[in-house]
Amino acid sequence: NAGVTQTPKFRVLKTGQSMTLLCAQDMNHEYMYWYRQDPGMGLRLIHYSVGEGTTAKGEVPDGYNVSRLKKQNFLLGLESAAPSQTSVYFCASSYPRDYSYEQYFGPGTRLTVT
Amino acid sequence: KNEVEQSPQNLTAQEGEFITINCSYSVGISALHWLQQHPGGGIVSLFMLSSGKKKHGRLIATINIQEKHSSLHITASHPRDSAVYICAVSYTGTASKLTFGTGTRLQVTL
Repeated sequence: NAGVTQTPKFRVLKTGQSMTLLCAQDMNHEYMYWYRQDPGMGLRLIHYSVGEGTTAKGEVPDGYNVSRLKKQNFLLGLESAAPSQTSVYFCASSYPRDYSYEQYFGPGTRLTVT
Repeated sequence: KNEVEQSPQNLTAQEGEFITINCSYSVGISALHWLQQHPGGGIVSLFMLSSGKKKHGRLIATINIQEKHSSLHITASHPRDSAVYICAVSYTGTASKLTFGTGTRLQVTL
């Protein structure tokens, strides 16, 4: 099993450009998440999904959109990139175990917006 | 103010030392997670616990629900333990989402 994969691994965008980050998991997990990680701050939840066809806002959703058309894929879109969106983006997936949810993380995407 | 507080922020230890990293949180939780992030970025789940103590190799995690506090211990530390250790909690009623601490950067030297 590949686990959780993310593409691309690195990307540089100019302000105003758009892009989509792809997260894929092969563990048949129901829940998927997008986080961003910035220096000096903990990981922050952008959007999440509790199943195919569903999405919900997290802590910092502004400027991002998501889609979960297939259970194994969770896409994060930036319609008009801003320098404040320079960050490392992590995708994760989880399944319920003992009423708690252990999360499995992808390797991350480093995005720079100039 | 982060709802999950970790201490210390940075920690340097010599090989072989016993290491403790602390995590405190503010309200009732359904589970507490300890994660490890190596240089290069990958994040791995070490423990998920809601009570008591768990052990895996040289790593031990404990939680005190009444005091809202957890500790991660590393026995006989080794340079390969150098990483950022992150505490995260899932709150009662929101079991699908995690709130993260800012991490403890550990450097183990020879």
